[in-house]
Amino acid sequence: AQSVTQLDSHVSVSEGTPVLLRCNYSSSYSPSLFWYVQHPNKGLQLLLKYTSAATLVKGINGFEAEFKKSETSFHLTKPSAHMSDAAEYFCVVSVPSYNNNDMRFGAGTRLTVKP
Amino acid sequence: EAGVTQSPTHLIKTRGQQATLRCSPISGHTSVYWYQQALGLGLQFLLWYDEGEERNRGNFPPRFSGRQFPNYSSELNVNALELEDSALYLCASSSSDRVFNQPQHFGDGTRLSIL
Repeated sequence: AQSVTQLDSHVSVSEGTPVLLRCNYSSSYSPSLFWYVQHPNKGLQLLLKYTSAATLVKGINGFEAEFKKSETSFHLTKPSAHMSDAAEYFCVVSVPSYNNNDMRFGAGTRLTVKP
Repeated sequence: EAGVTQSPTHLIKTRGQQATLRCSPISGHTSVYWYQQALGLGLQFLLWYDEGEERNRGNFPPRFSGRQFPNYSSELNVNALELEDSALYLCASSSSDRVFNQPQHFGDGTRLSIL
């Protein structure tokens, strides 16, 4: 079975400084991995996805993530935080199964951006 | 392209009543998923519909049910409402391709409040 662990429940950065949101996964098969962002009272928006192509994945709004199989990690980064990045971020793992909805969501990381 | 739409935005009910939540998927998507996001509990998978059939359900009691219509829209019904049903209910849709790496696209949710 697969699972995903977001290592920090809350991350606080200053505007203009780098962002690092950490995600580790567990899977018996080659997984697909996703990062979503959720702003208050909104749904989840897809930031980026990894599906066994390039290990460095670029997403929207300047975010990127690197798939490291040896470390079973898929950390999300951004060089310079903006105030608008303050939100909840979810790491998601998906593996082949008969029930192709078998996506496992991490518990989320709340990102705070200080002026 | 129109995204996933959910209605109503907010719904206020009292204990014991019944609630109906509605979801229209992205055009061309046949899979619809329902999630419950209660405060402090993360995203909990409720139901998955595809091609009009219920394909999988999460660990929720039978008073949570739903259906998918021929136009692929869906509704979630919650009977005998309890206080702990208060949550944001999110609907997502994905492509009909039965591959595990298709991301889910989310609506903005229905906020259900039980008084």
